[in-house]
Amino acid sequence: NAGVTQTPKFQVLKTGQSMTLQCAQDMNHEYMSWYRQDPGMGLRLIHYSVGAGITDQGEVPNGYNVSRSTTEDFPLRLLSAAPSQTSVYFCASSNHFGTGFYGYTFGSGTRLTVV
Amino acid sequence: QQQVKQSPQSLIVQKGGISIINCAYENTAFDYFPWYQQFPGKGPALLIAIRPDVSEKKEGRFTISFNKSAKQFSLHIMDSQPGDSATYFCAAESNTGKLIFGQGTTLQVKP
Repeated sequence: NAGVTQTPKFQVLKTGQSMTLQCAQDMNHEYMSWYRQDPGMGLRLIHYSVGAGITDQGEVPNGYNVSRSTTEDFPLRLLSAAPSQTSVYFCASSNHFGTGFYGYTFGSGTRLTVV
Repeated sequence: QQQVKQSPQSLIVQKGGISIINCAYENTAFDYFPWYQQFPGKGPALLIAIRPDVSEKKEGRFTISFNKSAKQFSLHIMDSQPGDSATYFCAAESNTGKLIFGQGTTLQVKP
């Protein structure tokens, strides 16, 4: 049981490049989310999904795309990287708390630098 | 617009003291109010959570106090230990899985 797996752990991009941050979970969780963490800003929600084929925007969605074709995977795409997207990105997953609250399980993060 | 506001940004407490972190929320459509703990280089992990129809929840040395009418809640860490040194995030979650965080509080417990 690996939990939430994020790849890569570190990435350096040049301005204008595109890339996909991968996220996979093996807990059969319905909900998955992407956050970015910046000093003094906390964790800000980028996009989230309540199930395969369903996604919605969070607090800071601009410049990012997501799709969820399977329950397990929730990739985050940066279309044209900008220095403002330099951050630590976290993926997380959870089940609905209808039968109890267990919170979100987070991955270990991807540290992205855009130069 | 920040839906969950947290203070203080940083906190220094002596070993054995009480650490108190405060949060306020704006949207009433939240169903759970969790606290997460994060150590350097790691992802956040759930510490404790409360429903809005409960005024207090205690788990060991950690207590959440919840004031629904004021839209405020707080985390109290009793008998704070150096191992509690971490960043703490309050959050609010809706029943659609949307989880919004506060800005975080860096806690340092001095031996």
